[in-house]
Amino acid sequence: AQTVTQSQPEMSVQEAETVTLSCTYDTSESDYYLFWYKQPPSRQMILVIRQEAYKQQNATENRFSVNFQKAAKSFSLKISDSQLGDAAMYFCAYRINNNDMRFGAGTRLTVKP
Amino acid sequence: DTGVSQNPRHKITKRGQNVTFRCDPISEHNRLYWYRQTLGQGPEFLTYFQNEAQLEKSRLLSDRFSAERPKGSFSTLEIQRTEQGDSAMYLCASSLVRGLLRDYGYTFGSGTRLTVV
Repeated sequence: AQTVTQSQPEMSVQEAETVTLSCTYDTSESDYYLFWYKQPPSRQMILVIRQEAYKQQNATENRFSVNFQKAAKSFSLKISDSQLGDAAMYFCAYRINNNDMRFGAGTRLTVKP
Repeated sequence: DTGVSQNPRHKITKRGQNVTFRCDPISEHNRLYWYRQTLGQGPEFLTYFQNEAQLEKSRLLSDRFSAERPKGSFSTLEIQRTEQGDSAMYLCASSLVRGLLRDYGYTFGSGTRLTVV
């Protein structure tokens, strides 16, 4: 079975600083997709960034970037220049081909002004 | 099209009652997913449809749960004889899959929060 583990239930960061959220996953597949989703309080899940396992280059979306270590099965999210609006639950997710997506338990990020 | 719409946003029901939730996906999306999310946890997969066909069901989906997508557009999730353990946020998501074209993530709705008292 595929599992996704987020070992940090809560993280905090000072506004304008950088924070890294950790995610590891377990799979025997070689081709899959990894995602980070953001869920603000009482609001819907929003896709932050995605990574295809066959790509060695780490994905980047503006202030968000990932460190994808395939051999280690690690997929961390780095948020640079943190903003108050970044405060949310962040979920790491894994998906094989076009099947269903499996999520980690989430990391609650607090941004301090 | 403004995204994935879920109704109602909140539902409070007494234990033993039946409830039905509706999801309207993005119109051109052919796949529709249902997830359940309890407080402090990530979403757990329940079931998904490609067009009107229900292709996979999680073992979490007991026989009290049924989902339909009769015309390949909107979907309903019904829970019969609700239990307190059914209290959760029920999330719907949709995506577009065409042949070998890979899609890269879902568009989620805002969810329906169910409270069973």
